[in-house]
Amino acid sequence: NAGVTQTPKFQVLKTGQSMTLQCAQDMNHNSMYWYRQDPGMGLRLIYYSASEGTTDKGEVPNGYNVSRLNKREFSLRLESAAPSQTSVYFCASGNTGNTEAFFGQGTRLTVV
Amino acid sequence: QKEVEQNSGPLSVPEGAIASLNCTYSDRGSQSFFWYRQYSGKSPELIMFIYSNGDKEDGRFTAQLNKASQYVSLLIRDSQPSDSATYLCAVNTRGGADGLTFGKGTHLIIQP
Repeated sequence: NAGVTQTPKFQVLKTGQSMTLQCAQDMNHNSMYWYRQDPGMGLRLIYYSASEGTTDKGEVPNGYNVSRLNKREFSLRLESAAPSQTSVYFCASGNTGNTEAFFGQGTRLTVV
Repeated sequence: QKEVEQNSGPLSVPEGAIASLNCTYSDRGSQSFFWYRQYSGKSPELIMFIYSNGDKEDGRFTAQLNKASQYVSLLIRDSQPSDSATYLCAVNTRGGADGLTFGKGTHLIIQP
């Protein structure tokens, strides 16, 4: 059982470069999320998708865009990377309602 | 603004003792509550969830919820060195469609 799969696991970007983080889940969940985790800041929600075809901003959306490609896949795009976007990014999924979120293994991104 | 507060620690507990982790939340509309464990360099994994006031036990773990006081706690009995990790408290409001709000986590160290 794969659960939530993220690619890549590690990435180094130069300031101004763009990239897309990929996420796929095989648990038939309606909702998907992108979080970033920084030392001392905890997990903060970037964007979420409550269902296929919808996306909404979370707590820290600036500098990011997302696409809910289908029920399984939810991608996060950095159009012009900045050093402030150096972080660990986690994709998660869950069913709508008072249920838990399941996390992918994370992407460690460094912007130099 | 939804806020979840945790003492960052580190909390040091002797092996075999009870570890007590606490969390407070600001949004009275919060409906469900989760404890995640995160080892260094790994993704968060769910330990417990609780929806109703009172205690919920699962093996060595007990979650306690007091909605009137807006706090939730996690007790770990017979603490083991393998319990050393960061524990994240998370809350869910409004049916959960907009994801979980996380505290910054408490770093727990179990001393052999």
